[in-house]
Amino acid sequence: DIQMTQSPSTLSASVGDRVTITCRASQSISSWLAWYQQKPGKAPKLLIYKASSLESGVPSRFSGSGSGTEFTLTISSLQPDDFATYYCQQYNSYWWTFGQGTKVEIK
Amino acid sequence: QVQLQESGPGLVKPSQTLSLTCTVSGGSISSGSYYWSWIRQPAGKGLEWIGRIYTSGSTNYNPSLKSRVTISVDTSKNQFSLKLSSVTAADTAVYYCARVRDYLVDYWGQGTLVTVSS
Repeated sequence: DIQMTQSPSTLSASVGDRVTITCRASQSISSWLAWYQQKPGKAPKLLIYKASSLESGVPSRFSGSGSGTEFTLTISSLQPDDFATYYCQQYNSYWWTFGQGTKVEIK
Repeated sequence: QVQLQESGPGLVKPSQTLSLTCTVSGGSISSGSYYWSWIRQPAGKGLEWIGRIYTSGSTNYNPSLKSRVTISVDTSKNQFSLKLSSVTAADTAVYYCARVRDYLVDYWGQGTLVTVSS
């Protein structure tokens, strides 16, 4: 299995901050990476696919970058609705895997 | 708009079989090129793929669970199901059913908590 490691596990930030989350793959996954947002008690929601493509309806303050083994999710100006847990998911290999999550909490 | 809804017992005894069903509405489960999947999430932890069934009926399972998992589809009822045998407390989690398009989850069920306890 390809292991996905996110950092940090928890991130404390304020409204308006620029926030960056990193996801590293245990082997190259080209650009086959997605990011999801999950709020407490809810199912995750797809934000970004193919490393940098924004899903329809997702605010433009979210962006993704990277290829190979290192990827980032950036929120350019954190909004109150963005406090949530974020997961990366690789879909390069036969068996898809998620990162362990990064919780973005209010500072 | 596609909707998915999980159903099944919320409490299962250790060593027994966990059985869940996902009912799909707003579209036919047998049309299009989708994977229908089960994903679980223990409390306070991350997401884990359990397995998937393709529109054609072929299945793939998480290697770590493969010996205990069966996913099947009932096209007449527009449902797909999960069976996980020989459960332990480690299988306690919120179980989500999901539709996968182009390897991405585009629709999720609301999730159902299954507790394994005597």
